[in-house]
Amino acid sequence: AQSVTQLDSQVPVFEEAPVELRCNYSSSVSVYLFWYVQYPNQGLQLLLKYLSGSTLVKGINGFEAEFNKSQTSFHLRKPSVHISDTAEYFCAVSDGGSGNTGKLIFGQGTTLQVKP
Amino acid sequence: NAGVTQTPKFQVLKTGQSMTLQCAQDMNHNSMYWYRQDPGMGLRLIYYSASEGTTDKGEVPNGYNVSRLNKREFSLRLESAAPSQTSVYFCASSWDRGFNYEQYFGPGTRLTVT
Repeated sequence: AQSVTQLDSQVPVFEEAPVELRCNYSSSVSVYLFWYVQYPNQGLQLLLKYLSGSTLVKGINGFEAEFNKSQTSFHLRKPSVHISDTAEYFCAVSDGGSGNTGKLIFGQGTTLQVKP
Repeated sequence: NAGVTQTPKFQVLKTGQSMTLQCAQDMNHNSMYWYRQDPGMGLRLIYYSASEGTTDKGEVPNGYNVSRLNKREFSLRLESAAPSQTSVYFCASSWDRGFNYEQYFGPGTRLTVT
C-alpha cells in the first residue's frame, strides 16, 4: 500500500527566508503526487501536482516542488515566504497503476509558521 | 459556483447518538470522497464514490455509512457515535477518478462526541 511521510511536523521560518517542506512516498510503479495547503479554519486547496513530464512543478503562490524518483521524494519549496503563507501543508499520493480509483493518501501534515 | 458545501459546520453529540453529515457539489463532478482529519495523522479516507450509484470503503470505514443520493450529494452517517469519532470531517469531489485527480474540498465539519 502507498504511504507518505512528511519529515517535519513544524517548520518555523522568518519572513522573506526560503523554505523547504519535505515529503517522501513509498515506491510504486507510477504515482501522482500533490501538495495541498490548509489555511486556518478552512478546507484544503491544491497548491500543485505532478502527474508526468517535467520533474519540476510550479504551483500557485510562488511554490514549486521537485519530483525525485530515485529518492522517492517530492519536496515543496518557496524562495521567499510571506506571513500569509502560514498554514498547514499536506503532501499526498494517488496510485497511478491499473485499477486506480483516484484515492489520495495523505501525509501527516507540516505546519509552516512564518515569523515577522 | 459554491463549489463543495458541507452542513453542519459544527456539531456536538453524546455517545450513542446518530447523525448525518451532508455534502453537496455543484461542479458536475462524478467522484466524491469523505475524509477525517485528526492531529498528527493527516487526512484519512473513510468512504468514496467513484460515480453516482457506487460507493466503496476507504482506510477507516468502521462506524460509518454513506449514501450517494444523486450526482450532487454524498452523505456520511454515524449510526452510534463514539468519542473516537471526534474529528474534523471533509468532503471532496473530483471530475473523474481516472482522468483528473484534483480534488476540491469543502470547509469541513467539526464533530465532538462526548
